[in-house]
Amino acid sequence: SAVISQKPSRDICQRGTSLTIQCQVDSQVTMMFWYRQQPGQSLTLIATANQGSEATYESGFVIDKFPISRPNLTFSTLTVSNMSPEDSSIYLCSVVSSGSAKTQYFGPGTRLLVL
Amino acid sequence: SQQGEEDPQALSIQEGENATMNCSYKTSINNLQWYRQNSGRGLVHLILIRSNEREKHSGRLRVTLDTSKKSSSLLITASRAADTASYFCATTGGGNKLTFGTGTQLKVEL
Repeated sequence: SAVISQKPSRDICQRGTSLTIQCQVDSQVTMMFWYRQQPGQSLTLIATANQGSEATYESGFVIDKFPISRPNLTFSTLTVSNMSPEDSSIYLCSVVSSGSAKTQYFGPGTRLLVL
Repeated sequence: SQQGEEDPQALSIQEGENATMNCSYKTSINNLQWYRQNSGRGLVHLILIRSNEREKHSGRLRVTLDTSKKSSSLLITASRAADTASYFCATTGGGNKLTFGTGTQLKVEL
Protein backbone atom coordinates (compact mmCIF):
# COMPACT_ATOMS: atom_id res chain seq x y z
CA SER A 1 0.00 0.00 0.00
CA ALA A 2 1.06 3.60 -0.57
CA VAL A 3 2.39 5.68 2.31
CA ILE A 4 0.89 9.15 2.22
CA SER A 5 1.83 12.16 4.33
CA GLN A 6 0.11 15.51 4.63
CA LYS A 7 1.30 18.86 5.92
CA PRO A 8 0.19 20.55 8.05
CA SER A 9 -1.64 18.03 10.20
CA ARG A 10 -3.77 20.82 11.62
CA ASP A 11 -4.02 24.58 11.56
CA ILE A 12 -6.08 27.43 12.92
CA CYS A 13 -6.52 30.29 10.47
CA GLN A 14 -8.19 33.67 10.34
CA ARG A 15 -11.00 34.31 7.90
CA GLY A 16 -9.92 35.85 4.63
CA THR A 17 -6.55 34.12 4.60
CA SER A 18 -5.43 31.12 2.52
CA LEU A 19 -3.83 27.83 3.49
CA THR A 20 -1.91 25.42 1.27
CA ILE A 21 -1.99 21.75 2.16
CA GLN A 22 0.68 19.40 0.87
CA CYS A 23 0.29 15.73 0.03
CA GLN A 24 3.34 13.52 -0.51
CA VAL A 25 3.25 9.88 -1.65
CA ASP A 26 6.12 7.42 -1.33
CA SER A 27 5.65 6.08 -4.85
CA GLN A 28 4.51 7.35 -8.22
CA VAL A 29 0.76 7.24 -8.62
CA THR A 30 -1.44 8.17 -11.51
CA MET A 31 -4.65 9.00 -9.70
CA MET A 32 -4.70 11.45 -6.80
CA PHE A 33 -7.77 13.02 -5.24
CA TRP A 34 -8.69 15.66 -2.65
CA TYR A 35 -11.64 15.19 -0.31
CA ARG A 36 -13.31 17.34 2.31
CA GLN A 37 -14.98 16.11 5.47
CA GLN A 38 -17.06 18.71 7.22
CA PRO A 39 -17.66 18.29 10.97
CA GLY A 40 -19.75 15.24 11.70
CA GLN A 41 -20.18 14.46 8.01
CA SER A 42 -18.94 11.95 5.50
CA LEU A 43 -16.36 12.65 2.82
CA THR A 44 -17.03 14.63 -0.33
CA LEU A 45 -14.75 14.66 -3.35
CA ILE A 46 -13.38 18.10 -4.19
CA ALA A 47 -11.34 17.34 -7.28
CA THR A 48 -9.06 14.97 -9.13
CA ALA A 49 -5.48 16.24 -9.23
CA ASN A 50 -4.13 15.65 -12.72
CA GLN A 51 -0.41 15.60 -13.34
CA GLY A 52 0.57 18.12 -15.96
CA SER A 53 -2.88 19.56 -16.46
CA GLU A 54 -5.62 21.40 -14.61
CA ALA A 55 -7.49 19.60 -11.86
CA THR A 56 -10.96 18.27 -12.52
CA TYR A 57 -13.44 19.73 -10.04
CA GLU A 58 -16.67 18.22 -8.78
CA SER A 59 -19.94 20.07 -8.77
CA GLY A 60 -19.93 22.76 -6.13
CA PHE A 61 -16.16 23.23 -6.08
CA VAL A 62 -14.27 25.79 -8.16
CA ILE A 63 -10.65 26.41 -8.98
CA ASP A 64 -10.64 29.95 -7.60
CA LYS A 65 -11.59 28.67 -4.17
CA PHE A 66 -9.59 25.43 -4.20
CA PRO A 67 -6.60 25.74 -6.55
CA ILE A 68 -4.71 22.49 -6.92
CA SER A 69 -1.22 21.78 -8.17
CA ARG A 70 0.21 18.42 -9.25
CA PRO A 71 3.76 19.01 -10.43
CA ASN A 72 4.73 15.33 -10.49
CA LEU A 73 3.41 11.84 -9.76
CA THR A 74 4.25 11.89 -6.04
CA PHE A 75 3.13 15.32 -4.87
CA SER A 76 0.10 17.60 -4.88
CA THR A 77 -1.09 20.71 -3.08
CA LEU A 78 -4.56 21.98 -2.29
CA THR A 79 -5.06 25.62 -1.38
CA VAL A 80 -8.13 26.76 0.50
CA SER A 81 -8.49 30.41 -0.51
CA ASN A 82 -10.17 33.35 1.18
CA MET A 83 -11.26 31.14 4.03
CA SER A 84 -14.45 31.47 6.02
CA PRO A 85 -15.61 29.49 9.08
CA GLU A 86 -17.61 27.25 6.72
CA ASP A 87 -14.30 25.94 5.38
CA SER A 88 -13.50 24.38 8.74
CA SER A 89 -13.12 20.72 7.82
CA ILE A 90 -10.71 17.87 7.51
CA TYR A 91 -9.04 17.82 4.10
CA LEU A 92 -7.71 14.49 2.88
CA CYS A 93 -5.75 13.43 -0.15
CA SER A 94 -6.00 9.94 -1.55
CA VAL A 95 -4.31 7.82 -4.19
CA VAL A 96 -5.36 4.78 -6.15
CA SER A 97 -3.14 1.72 -6.00
CA SER A 98 -1.45 0.57 -9.16
CA GLY A 99 -2.80 -2.94 -8.87
CA SER A 100 -5.89 -4.30 -10.53
CA ALA A 101 -7.97 -3.97 -7.38
CA LYS A 102 -7.87 -0.15 -7.49
CA THR A 103 -7.78 0.16 -3.74
CA GLN A 104 -7.78 3.79 -2.66
CA TYR A 105 -5.59 4.90 0.22
CA PHE A 106 -5.88 8.07 2.25
CA GLY A 107 -3.49 10.44 3.89
CA PRO A 108 -3.81 11.27 7.62
CA GLY A 109 -5.77 14.43 6.86
CA THR A 110 -5.36 18.12 7.64
CA ARG A 111 -7.72 19.46 10.27
CA LEU A 112 -8.53 23.09 9.55
CA LEU A 113 -10.31 25.49 11.86
CA VAL A 114 -11.19 28.93 10.51
CA LEU A 115 -12.01 31.61 13.03
CA SER B 1 -25.20 14.13 -2.93
CA GLN B 2 -24.08 11.06 -1.04
CA GLN B 3 -24.84 7.85 -2.84
CA GLY B 4 -24.57 5.50 0.11
CA GLU B 5 -26.67 5.26 3.17
CA GLU B 6 -25.44 3.36 6.17
CA ASP B 7 -27.27 1.98 9.09
CA PRO B 8 -27.26 2.14 11.91
CA GLN B 9 -25.90 5.67 12.27
CA ALA B 10 -24.61 4.71 15.68
CA LEU B 11 -24.01 1.37 17.33
CA SER B 12 -22.96 0.63 20.90
CA ILE B 13 -21.97 -2.87 21.91
CA GLN B 14 -20.02 -4.70 24.60
CA GLU B 15 -16.53 -5.99 24.03
CA GLY B 16 -16.62 -9.50 22.63
CA GLU B 17 -19.91 -9.01 20.80
CA ASN B 18 -20.25 -8.87 17.03
CA ALA B 19 -20.98 -5.62 15.21
CA THR B 20 -22.84 -5.47 11.92
CA MET B 21 -23.04 -2.37 9.75
CA ASN B 22 -25.03 -2.08 6.55
CA CYS B 23 -24.51 0.05 3.48
CA SER B 24 -26.88 0.69 0.59
CA TYR B 25 -26.10 2.40 -2.67
CA LYS B 26 -28.05 3.56 -5.69
CA THR B 27 -26.18 2.89 -8.92
CA SER B 28 -24.08 0.15 -10.49
CA ILE B 29 -20.63 -0.25 -9.02
CA ASN B 30 -17.24 -1.72 -9.90
CA ASN B 31 -16.26 -2.28 -6.31
CA LEU B 32 -17.10 -1.31 -2.76
CA GLN B 33 -14.58 -0.45 -0.09
CA TRP B 34 -14.89 -0.20 3.67
CA TYR B 35 -12.87 2.26 5.73
CA ARG B 36 -12.35 2.99 9.40
CA GLN B 37 -11.76 6.46 10.83
CA ASN B 38 -10.59 7.06 14.36
CA SER B 39 -11.40 10.38 16.03
CA GLY B 40 -11.58 12.45 12.83
CA ARG B 41 -8.22 11.35 11.56
CA GLY B 42 -7.32 9.76 8.22
CA LEU B 43 -9.16 6.81 6.78
CA VAL B 44 -7.76 3.32 7.16
CA HIS B 45 -8.61 0.96 4.33
CA LEU B 46 -10.19 -2.24 5.61
CA ILE B 47 -11.33 -4.29 2.68
CA LEU B 48 -12.33 -4.06 -0.98
CA ILE B 49 -14.95 -6.28 -2.54
CA ARG B 50 -15.47 -6.40 -6.29
CA SER B 51 -18.89 -6.34 -7.88
CA ASN B 52 -18.55 -9.99 -8.93
CA GLU B 53 -17.73 -11.13 -5.40
CA ARG B 54 -20.31 -11.99 -2.77
CA GLU B 55 -18.25 -12.38 0.38
CA LYS B 56 -14.79 -11.56 1.59
CA HIS B 57 -12.92 -12.12 4.84
CA SER B 58 -9.99 -10.38 6.45
CA GLY B 59 -9.11 -11.35 9.99
CA ARG B 60 -12.13 -10.52 12.18
CA LEU B 61 -13.84 -8.72 9.30
CA ARG B 62 -16.43 -10.24 7.00
CA VAL B 63 -17.92 -8.26 4.14
CA THR B 64 -20.83 -9.31 1.99
CA LEU B 65 -22.11 -7.73 -1.18
CA ASP B 66 -25.53 -8.18 -2.75
CA THR B 67 -25.59 -6.32 -6.05
CA SER B 68 -29.22 -7.24 -6.70
CA LYS B 69 -30.19 -5.35 -3.54
CA LYS B 70 -27.42 -2.77 -3.94
CA SER B 71 -26.26 -3.39 -0.41
CA SER B 72 -23.24 -4.49 1.57
CA SER B 73 -22.60 -5.41 5.16
CA LEU B 74 -19.52 -5.30 7.37
CA LEU B 75 -19.34 -7.72 10.26
CA ILE B 76 -16.73 -7.31 12.97
CA THR B 77 -16.53 -10.40 15.14
CA ALA B 78 -15.35 -10.51 18.74
CA SER B 79 -15.18 -6.73 18.95
CA ARG B 80 -12.57 -4.92 20.99
CA ALA B 81 -12.49 -1.47 22.55
CA ALA B 82 -9.91 -0.53 19.89
CA ASP B 83 -12.56 -1.10 17.22
CA THR B 84 -14.33 2.04 18.43
CA ALA B 85 -14.38 4.29 15.37
CA SER B 86 -16.49 5.50 12.48
CA TYR B 87 -16.91 3.10 9.59
CA PHE B 88 -17.63 4.18 6.03
CA CYS B 89 -18.49 2.33 2.87
CA ALA B 90 -17.47 3.85 -0.46
CA THR B 91 -18.28 2.80 -3.99
CA THR B 92 -16.69 3.34 -7.37
CA GLY B 93 -18.56 3.23 -10.64
CA GLY B 94 -16.90 3.58 -14.00
CA GLY B 95 -13.91 5.54 -12.76
CA ASN B 96 -11.91 5.74 -9.54
CA LYS B 97 -13.86 8.44 -7.77
CA LEU B 98 -15.23 7.26 -4.44
CA THR B 99 -18.74 8.02 -3.32
CA PHE B 100 -19.03 7.66 0.42
CA GLY B 101 -21.83 6.50 2.63
CA THR B 102 -23.00 8.43 5.63
CA GLY B 103 -21.00 6.32 8.08
CA THR B 104 -21.67 4.31 11.24
CA GLN B 105 -20.24 5.34 14.59
CA LEU B 106 -19.30 2.22 16.51
CA LYS B 107 -18.61 2.30 20.22
CA VAL B 108 -17.30 -0.82 21.89
CA GLU B 109 -17.56 -0.68 25.64
CA LEU B 110 -15.50 -2.66 28.12
